[in-house]
Amino acid sequence: GQNIDQPTEMTATEGAIVQINCTYQTSGFNGLFWYQQHAGEAPTFLSYNVLDGLEEKGRFSSFLSRSKGYSYLLLKELQMKDSASYLCAVVDSNYQLIWGAGTKLIIKP
Amino acid sequence: KAGVTQTPRYLIKTRGQQVTLSCSPISGHRSVSWYQQTPGQGLQFLFEYFSETQRNKGNFPGRFSGRQFSNSRSEMNVSTLELGDSALYLCASSERPDAPLHFGNGTRLTVT
Repeated sequence: GQNIDQPTEMTATEGAIVQINCTYQTSGFNGLFWYQQHAGEAPTFLSYNVLDGLEEKGRFSSFLSRSKGYSYLLLKELQMKDSASYLCAVVDSNYQLIWGAGTKLIIKP
Repeated sequence: KAGVTQTPRYLIKTRGQQVTLSCSPISGHRSVSWYQQTPGQGLQFLFEYFSETQRNKGNFPGRFSGRQFSNSRSEMNVSTLELGDSALYLCASSERPDAPLHFGNGTRLTVT
């Protein structure tokens, strides 16, 4: 079967750095997305990786290793507004999105 | 461009009734997906439509159905509602199946 694993919950301090991991086992691979979802709101797109390596977008970076079936989302200079759930999703060989359960990130002052 | 629009925002129904939810995608987006989200289950994929054809379907019973019109607008229908169908239903559109999704604000369905 297809599976995506993410930690259920993480806690970090304002101003610090946090890394959210995502491991996947899917039928084929055509890209990996990260989405952010604040409580009570819809998910919003953060990043997309299809080739190995690091993609940087301001305070957020996303890394992919296809050989290891592994990705991480790195958040720097954490702000209180970064408290949200972070969802990892993989595009499989049928171009279907397989979703992880999400990681709830709690930021403490 | 206008974002993804879902109607209605809130809905209260009784067990056994049926419900139809509507989604208008971003102009030019031909792919529309539907998701169910509950606190304990996260995002659960319902189905995806591309150019009026159902491309993929999740593991939901036949009570859940959908369709897409020629203008890319989509509807999903749930018949014989059960208490467990209470959830946030999210619609998302994209230019193509492997492009980033743009989500609507969702329809919160409560079944009593």
